[in-house]
Amino acid sequence: LAKTTQPISMDSYEGQEVNITCSHNNIATNDYITWYQQFPSQGPRFIIQGYKTKVTNEVASLFIPADRKSSTLSLPRVSLSDTAVYYCLVEGTGFQKLVFGTGTRLLVSP
Amino acid sequence: GAVVSQHPSRVICKSGTSVKIECRSLDFQATTMFWYRQFPKKSLMLMATSNEGSKATYEQGVEKDKFLINHASLTLSTLTVTSAHPEDSSFYICSARAPRGLGETQYFGPGTRLLVL
Repeated sequence: LAKTTQPISMDSYEGQEVNITCSHNNIATNDYITWYQQFPSQGPRFIIQGYKTKVTNEVASLFIPADRKSSTLSLPRVSLSDTAVYYCLVEGTGFQKLVFGTGTRLLVSP
Repeated sequence: GAVVSQHPSRVICKSGTSVKIECRSLDFQATTMFWYRQFPKKSLMLMATSNEGSKATYEQGVEKDKFLINHASLTLSTLTVTSAHPEDSSFYICSARAPRGLGETQYFGPGTRLLVL
């Protein structure tokens, strides 16, 4: 199981771009990188998933360098409602279990 | 997209009683589901892997006789906290894997808040 490391917390202001970087040095060839968002007293919610280079959807972008040992979640123009914990996980194929790291607690202020 | 539900969303019980939490995959079949526990301001901790038609696989340190898991169908897994004690009070979350995009990922339930008095 690939272990992930990310900052414990980050602060930002409304309208700013937030970039959260995660390291996963022992990622395997068949593994994907997935980011989840969790609000208090709710289950984690899928944000974005990628394998390499760049992936973009309606809420975020995910940048993955060629060596895939790290990834960066980019949230454009955050709002107060983006205050949450963000988890970076490495997911394999099949029914591999997920091991959650500490996550990054993002606080967006007015 | 795939949806996972949990019931109840919140439960309060007396110490010594048993509590059952249901996890359902609403629009897909899940041969494997996962149960997590989360304490305040902490990360999710995997408790066990629930396998349809077979015994669950528990993580180290999780008492299988304390946390009974039954995965009786392809859409339902249940977690029963037996003889609950105040230290079992926590937020319990289940998940199931399903295809998404080019790969697969986990879909999480909304969680169940358990308070043992």
